[in-house]
Amino acid sequence: GAGVSQSPSNKVTEKGKDVELRCDPISGHTALYWYRQSLGQGLEFLIYFQGNSAPDKSGLPSDRFSAERTGGSVSTLTIQRTQQEDSAVYLCASSPDRYGYTFGSGTRLTVV
Amino acid sequence: SQELEQSPQSLIVQEGKNLTINCTSSKTLYGLYWYKQKYGEGLIFLMMLQKGGEEKSHEKITAKLDEKKQQSSLHITASQPSHAGIYLCGAEGTSGSRLTFGEGTQLTVNP
Repeated sequence: GAGVSQSPSNKVTEKGKDVELRCDPISGHTALYWYRQSLGQGLEFLIYFQGNSAPDKSGLPSDRFSAERTGGSVSTLTIQRTQQEDSAVYLCASSPDRYGYTFGSGTRLTVV
Repeated sequence: SQELEQSPQSLIVQEGKNLTINCTSSKTLYGLYWYKQKYGEGLIFLMMLQKGGEEKSHEKITAKLDEKKQQSSLHITASQPSHAGIYLCGAEGTSGSRLTFGEGTQLTVNP
């Protein structure tokens, strides 16, 4: 597609449930990033994929968070046993190299 | 790790006024990005600066990176309500692997 596509755009889930967030990067972009933006706060790095290299998971806040990228394209961010503090906008970005990040519109996650 | 500080945190201006948002880094910047975010939307790329002293403009928005590459400013001339939103600066760390972002500046432009 023309841009980075994220789905769903909005997700409301009950505390304790698992959720999956999807990111379709721009075709051909080798780098893919996940960020989180909590209300009133800046962007928080979560995880970074670059080609076939091992992902940089240093930003994942707990072991309830995991992400995978299949075939070097689509990525899924999974949050297990969701907590209220997980409520945030989750943003995905892709890049063809070190420069030129393009962000998706984000998934707004609300844990009730 | 690299930290970015934006100032001011929020700004309210009258339509037609000029304004400046600053982004200061604790370390040398290897690539400085400016994004705009409107409520409920994703980030919109504005500009990227790499070289010390570089300046770029897009419509009424101008961004500069100082010679020492530790501070960038975003200047809006003759602001309009359409400029309202959150402006975020992002910078690459020395590893070049990811962007670190500032906390953002909330801009309100009153008609």
